[in-house]
Amino acid sequence: GENVEQHPSTLSVQEGDSAVIKCTYSDSASNYFPWYKQELGKRPQLIIDIRSNVGEKKDQRIAVTLNKTAKHFSLHITETQPEDSAVYFCAAPFQGGSEKLVFGKGTKLTVNP
Amino acid sequence: ETGVTQSPTHLIKTRGQQVTLRCSSQSGHNTVSWYQQALGQGPQFIFQYYREEENGRGNFPPRFSGLQFPNYSSELNVNALELDDSALYLCASSLVASGLRNEQFFGPGTRLTVL
Repeated sequence: GENVEQHPSTLSVQEGDSAVIKCTYSDSASNYFPWYKQELGKRPQLIIDIRSNVGEKKDQRIAVTLNKTAKHFSLHITETQPEDSAVYFCAAPFQGGSEKLVFGKGTKLTVNP
Repeated sequence: ETGVTQSPTHLIKTRGQQVTLRCSSQSGHNTVSWYQQALGQGPQFIFQYYREEENGRGNFPPRFSGLQFPNYSSELNVNALELDDSALYLCASSLVASGLRNEQFFGPGTRLTVL
């Protein structure tokens, strides 16, 4: 069935370190993979996404990599800052022409000063 | 911040009542998706509206229904409220064009509490 698994569920790093969050998906037809950041009490905010025709995408300190063969994708945050602390969700689309996104359970990232 | 707005921000209802939540999509977007986010969980897809018709539905019972209006805004209606319906309800707007999947931008959500 439709499933997106996300690991780890919690991640604590020191300021300046890197953080990596990994997701696997089940639908081989999925071709779009967004990452959302959700701060406490706020809406999920799209921070980066990748389409299946590329293997990596970068935007300043964040990057996403995609391995279609293994059906997994990862979020990389370098030089972490306290304001990166939030819950991060990966997602993948299912159900053909619908834009239904199935989300992972989230990773709570804490960046310690 | 996105241009997606939702109302109301908070709502308290009792079991068995009915509720209507509203969403205005971002300018230029034609599709609205609704998600339910329970505490500590990721958003779960309820359904999507495109061209004023339901276009895909998640594992939610028929008492969850919706509408999309010609201006692309949307409503989510929930009948016969249950305690488990307590959650943050998020709408997300996107532009569907020529079958290309595009980014979904979320509104601030409506926090529904069922007592």
